[in-house]
Amino acid sequence: SQQGEEDPQALSIQEGENATMNCSYKTSINNLQWYRQNSGRGLVHLILIRSNEREKHSGRLRVTLDTSKKSSSLLITASRAADTASYFCAAGIFGNEKLTFGTGTRLTIIP
Amino acid sequence: AAGVIQSPRHLIKEKRETATLKCYPIPRHDTVYWYQQGPGQDPQFLISFYEKMQSDKGSIPDRFSAQQFSDYHSELNMSSLELGDSALYFCASSSLPGQTNYGYTFGSGTRLTVV
Repeated sequence: SQQGEEDPQALSIQEGENATMNCSYKTSINNLQWYRQNSGRGLVHLILIRSNEREKHSGRLRVTLDTSKKSSSLLITASRAADTASYFCAAGIFGNEKLTFGTGTRLTIIP
Repeated sequence: AAGVIQSPRHLIKEKRETATLKCYPIPRHDTVYWYQQGPGQDPQFLISFYEKMQSDKGSIPDRFSAQQFSDYHSELNMSSLELGDSALYFCASSSLPGQTNYGYTFGSGTRLTVV
């Protein structure tokens, strides 16, 4: 069964606006990771938040984690056209090294 | 900095043929993971290796096999190819405890097209 499920599946916003993507998971996690994928390209690691952390920032990225609700959100501030991509959350699970990916959010930034 | 290298970048095979995908992890990374991503799908875990031994297995068909060699590079062998095997195949590498702090590094992938 899928661990990470993204919401929404597709999001279109104007350049300069903020984009928020949500992710829910099902079991206990060691960490929650976010990746970006440009069309047909590789997965690029964006940010990792550990299970004992609640919020983390990296540049224009802000990630929150709510382990009680088993959910995470990725906020991209001041979006740019280059942010257009698919964004995946992936759960790193205790005692298991592999990542389990969600279905992804397709983000389109309109210039 | 060196990244995860995958080869080839693109591969076209006919049904029932065999394909071999290669992955060269980041130096000093001892763990390799293989993922399959179908069109419009999320990446699905296939198999992983730690210190040249299989460490975990996911939804990998019996027609596929993989191994990690003494230099830590890995190869995914796919036989009796089917049209449904057409996908992007990603390799990722990591090292403990880095993966719990820094995530995984993915290669650019191999796009396999079965015709």
